[in-house]
Amino acid sequence: NAGVTQTPKFQVLKTGQSMTLQCAQDMNHEYMSWYRQDPGMGLRLIHYSVGAGITDQGEVPNGYNVSRSTTEDFPLRLLSAAPSQTSVYFCASSSAGMRVGEQYFGPGTRLTVT
Amino acid sequence: QQQVKQSPQSLIVQKGGISIINCAYENTAFDYFPWYQQFPGKGPALLIAIRPDVSEKKEGRFTISFNKSAKQFSLHIMDSQPGDSATYFCAARRRIQGAQKLVFGQGTRLTINP
Repeated sequence: NAGVTQTPKFQVLKTGQSMTLQCAQDMNHEYMSWYRQDPGMGLRLIHYSVGAGITDQGEVPNGYNVSRSTTEDFPLRLLSAAPSQTSVYFCASSSAGMRVGEQYFGPGTRLTVT
Repeated sequence: QQQVKQSPQSLIVQKGGISIINCAYENTAFDYFPWYQQFPGKGPALLIAIRPDVSEKKEGRFTISFNKSAKQFSLHIMDSQPGDSATYFCAARRRIQGAQKLVFGQGTRLTINP
């Protein structure tokens, strides 16, 4: 199992550009989430999904869109990048049948918006 | 607002010493409290977790102490080793409409000096 994979590892965008961060998991997990990690802020939930076709907002959803057309994939779209979106982005997945509270995280995407 | 407050932000401990990281929360709807460990360039990984009806949980050198009345919990690392140097996040889980949402503390960068 590859676990949770994220692409790209690094990305530099100009203000106003759009892009999609890819996330895939091969563990057949129902739950998938996107977090951003900023110094001194911990990890903050952007959007999450409890299954294919179902998504909802987390703490900091503004400027981001998600969709979940398959169990495996959960892409995060930046509609019009802003410098405030410079961060490290993590995708995570978990299963309802797993140890409670456990999420598997991907390796992250480091995004810089200039 | 930060729903889970973590301290200290950074901690330096000598090899063989005890590392202690503290977290506090306000929301009594939280029902599970995991700790995550993150090495540089990697995603967080679950280290140990506790339910609020248990006052202490130990796994090897890692112990969580939980004080429900004070709404505080802490991670103790006994006989700290250089390989424990990492960033540690406490978290609190609540269930909302079938989804598990984690709220993370700000993180503690732990350095173990050899």
